This record gives sequence, C-alpha cells and structure tokens, in this order.
Amino acid sequence: QVQLLESGGGLVKPGGSLRLSCAASGFTFSDYYMSWIRQAPGKGLEWVSYISGGGYVIYAGSVRGRFTISRDNAKNSLYLQMNSLRAGDTAVYYCARHHSGYDRAFDIWGQGTMVTVSS
Amino acid sequence: DIQMTQSPSSLSASVGDRVTITCRAGQSISNYLNWYQQKPGKAPKVLIYAASSLQSGVPSRFSGSGSGTNFTLTISSLQPEDFATYYCQQTYTTPWTFGQGAKVEI
Repeated sequence: QVQLLESGGGLVKPGGSLRLSCAASGFTFSDYYMSWIRQAPGKGLEWVSYISGGGYVIYAGSVRGRFTISRDNAKNSLYLQMNSLRAGDTAVYYCARHHSGYDRAFDIWGQGTMVTVSS
Repeated sequence: DIQMTQSPSSLSASVGDRVTITCRAGQSISNYLNWYQQKPGKAPKVLIYAASSLQSGVPSRFSGSGSGTNFTLTISSLQPEDFATYYCQQTYTTPWTFGQGAKVEI
C-alpha cells in the first residue's frame, strides 16, 4: 500500500527550529520527486519545496534561506528542517509524492502534521 | 509569482446539478494546471492533472479543460460525496501556486 506518514510537528517559539519527517512506503522512493506543502488554519494550500530523487531542490521564496528539504533514499524518508520559525509558518505540513506518470502534480499525500509557532 | 484566481469562491448546489469552477492564471501556463479536492480535516486528492487528464480512480463525472490562462473544472452531476473545496494549481514555473479554493456546499 502506497503511503506517506509525516511526524515531527508541534509547538515551537518564534525563532525556534523544528524538523519534520515523512516516511514513505509501498513504492520505490528514490524514483520520485517529493514536495512539502502547507496549509495555514482555515486557509488555502501553499507549496513550500521540492526535491528530486537525486537531491535537486527548489524552495518557495517565503521559506528560502530558513527551511531545508532533504531525503534519505536508503531510509525511504523525506525531511524538512525549519529554522527561524515565524508565526506565519503556523500550518499543517503535508508531504506529497509527485505523480507517477506526470511529475508536475501530487498523486499521494500524507495525513499532515501540525506546526504551531507561538510564544 | 503566478497568481491563480478561482471563481466562484463558494457556491451552493444540489445533488444532480452540473457544477463548473473556473481558474484564471496571471500569465499563460500552457496546460500545466492541476485540480485537487479537499474535504475537511483531510489531505487534498488530485482529480485532474495537465489540465484535462483524469486521475486514475476518479469518477468520470469530473472533467477539466482549458489552456493558456483560462481553465475549468466541471462536475457533470454532483454527488453527495462531492461537497468539498476544490483547488487549482499551476506547475508551469516555480513557485508552484494554488488558487484560493472554491467551496461547494449543499
């Protein structure tokens, strides 16, 4: 069964750091681009970053320089290191697999992990 | 960044209705347009990719069309399980951006 499972969310103070993880199963993880997408409470979706199977990365401007996406293909895991967190980073964070036949869409999503930035 | 504008932002419809949601891009994005459905408390689910390709397992009452700057998602006969929020997304250029969402209510 193809599945993504995020973990690592929680409450953090402004300026703090947090590392999210996404465990993949049921597919050859290294073959796929992966993304992080977030959704602030009651708001729409915002793409955050993607990483290719070989480690090529792209970031949204709102997180560039503060967030780092990475992956460990041997562990079938995706990560998002978040530093210098701000209140505006409060959101549910989803990891998603790029589409198996068209890598510019997301065909598998995790259930999400909540990150709250507050003093 | 490419701005994506959906209309309407919300609509009320009945079971069996034909529903159309439009998405306009701030510049031409060819056919790099996807549609997602999201229900409360759940992750989004892809319905349509590359403007008009139906995702495997998605009912055929969903269809997408358009290219350039104007796109539509059509639900030919609304079913109870279709009440949700729908998002368009452009993947023509990064940062990939989403529309603000269109909530379909009873």
